[in-house]
Amino acid sequence: QQPVQSPQAVILREGEDAVINCSSSKALYSVHWYRQKHGEAPVFLMILLKGGEQKGHEKISASFNEKKQQSSLYLTASQLSYSGTYFCGTVVYNFNKFYFGSGTKLNVKP
Amino acid sequence: DAGITQSPRYKITETGRQVTLMCHQTWSHSYMFWYRQDLGHGLRLIYYSAAADITDKGEVPDGYVVSRSKTENFPLTLESATRSQTSVYFCASNPGGIGYEQYFGPGTRLTVT
Repeated sequence: QQPVQSPQAVILREGEDAVINCSSSKALYSVHWYRQKHGEAPVFLMILLKGGEQKGHEKISASFNEKKQQSSLYLTASQLSYSGTYFCGTVVYNFNKFYFGSGTKLNVKP
Repeated sequence: DAGITQSPRYKITETGRQVTLMCHQTWSHSYMFWYRQDLGHGLRLIYYSAAADITDKGEVPDGYVVSRSKTENFPLTLESATRSQTSVYFCASNPGGIGYEQYFGPGTRLTVT
């Protein structure tokens, strides 16, 4: 039931863009994105509901492709503060459970 | 406004001992959750609670017991700790349940020797 995230790790220079993907083999009701900095708790970024919507948060946005059961997180013009591990979480249709992916570690260097 | 707190923040215990991790929230959120975080597995849901006296299993409930007699508290008990339960444990809460934004506590790092 756990969604699959890719890539597992990304190294960027400040100002570069990155895309993190999250996919599921099950029909999804919603996809959630969280960021966790080292030694801290996860912090909510955004929720995407079925319907293929796209949302934004500062220079971080995401899309949800309902047909492919995939979501992508877009980080544009990355900043040092974007470093951390990004997790997607999914709620499967007709199955009231929430599953996190294994995470994508993002390292933004000066 | 304290939000959501966990205690202890660090705990070392021996195999076979009973350990209780505490979680307390001041928002009066109806839903509370317990996760464990291990390298390579991300966060996995152990148990969650929709309200006082209502709990349900998550993905990895074996070896854990929960209770919720008051809305603000959601303790997690390891009845007989094993080394495989060495992990970082996070408590979370929200007012709406599965599928809503979750607010996480700072975590408890548990080591079972």
